[in-house]
Amino acid sequence: GDSVTQMEGPVTLSEEAFLTINCTYTATGYPSLFWYVQYPGEGLQLLLKATKADDKGSNKGFEATYRKETTSFHLEKGSVQVSDSAVYFCALSLLTGGGNKLTFGTGTQLKVEL
Amino acid sequence: DGGITQSPKYLFRKEGQNVTLSCEQNLNHDAMYWYRQDPGQGLRLIYYSQIVNDFQKGDIAEGYSVSREKKESFPLTVTSAQKNPTAFYLCASFGAGLDRFEQFFGPGTRLTVL
Repeated sequence: GDSVTQMEGPVTLSEEAFLTINCTYTATGYPSLFWYVQYPGEGLQLLLKATKADDKGSNKGFEATYRKETTSFHLEKGSVQVSDSAVYFCALSLLTGGGNKLTFGTGTQLKVEL
Repeated sequence: DGGITQSPKYLFRKEGQNVTLSCEQNLNHDAMYWYRQDPGQGLRLIYYSQIVNDFQKGDIAEGYSVSREKKESFPLTVTSAQKNPTAFYLCASFGAGLDRFEQFFGPGTRLTVL
């Protein structure tokens, strides 16, 4: 079945450090890929997305590139801030007869310290 | 503003009681979803509905029930048959057009069984 694997956390960084959170996927079709962010006690917010190979999603300084050859969608940010502390989820979706169902990774907690 | 509301934010239940979680959206989306989130795990799909008066089981439907009598509303009932109901529950919706690749999430309900 479809699955998403992302690096375990927590990831602890100093402010202004470079961030990479790895995400790889397995899918039977041609999925769309997403990164969602969850702040403490809240729901999920879409951070960025990519719908086809070589697409780069970007938002708020975060970027991820859809790499079909390596089945990856790694999240990067050049300089993190304390306000980026949250849990980040990688996800895929396949539009099928069963609708748009998301498959999530287990989430990676990011802690950014001064 | 368009969005998804879930109520209540916190819910406490005694063992053996059924409880219903509310989810309302004013995004005019056809599809709605319920997910369960446990600590250190990704989101798991409980039920989803692609259209009014129709719904399907997700990956962990046992012990849960839903209804979809109106497009705007998709309540989830956690029954006494659910053996481990303490979790964070998230509702989401999915539209078409420009939104067709994104699921929008509500703020969640944290259910605790006492």
